[in-house]
Amino acid sequence: DGGITQSPKYLFRKEGQNVTLSCEQNLNHDAMYWYRQDPGQGLRLIYYSQIVNDFQKGDIAEGYSVSREKKESFPLTVTSAQKNPTAFYLCASSVGIVDTEAFFGQGTRLTVV
Amino acid sequence: GENVEQHPSTLSVQEGDSAVIKCTYSDSASNYFPWYKQELGKRPQLIIDIRSNVGEKKDQRIAVTLNKTAKHFSLHITETQPEDSAVYFCAANTGGFKTIFGAGTRLFVKA
Repeated sequence: DGGITQSPKYLFRKEGQNVTLSCEQNLNHDAMYWYRQDPGQGLRLIYYSQIVNDFQKGDIAEGYSVSREKKESFPLTVTSAQKNPTAFYLCASSVGIVDTEAFFGQGTRLTVV
Repeated sequence: GENVEQHPSTLSVQEGDSAVIKCTYSDSASNYFPWYKQELGKRPQLIIDIRSNVGEKKDQRIAVTLNKTAKHFSLHITETQPEDSAVYFCAANTGGFKTIFGAGTRLFVKA
């Protein structure tokens, strides 16, 4: 049970603070993704990256930022501009760009207090 | 915009019965349709997938069917067992990076 690791599993943040969620993979995958999971809404794409030093906005990028300085790492920062940040965040990676399985991390549950 | 609708949102079946989950997609360019299973507190994991050049695919008790004309695809689980209880997500991918997920179906298998 490895391959793609998210940390921490649970995270608490005070309103007005930025927080960074970690995602690391050792699968040698080029593509990495961040999804947000809310009850009854499935998985919504925040950002994705095809290759190092390149990333694209997904459907709900507002209030989030990412970086891809290394192939293995794709951290997500939830900024204070995100109006409703309390959610379950899932990171994923895939080997290529066409018709490939996504491998998910265990997720980080972020709660704003 | 691109959309995947999934029904039902909740499904309860008796152990041994079959379960069917249906999805429709809007982007006719979609050509890859994976299904993921997420057990409580765990990560989603791929259980089966189908590509647009195939109408049906089966893996033991799980099968998926695809109707490209109608833009429908379905997951069929036969002889359900309690360990099949989970949330199931369908998804559609157009061949690029964008995979659109359905809202999920929570399946309960009663022993």
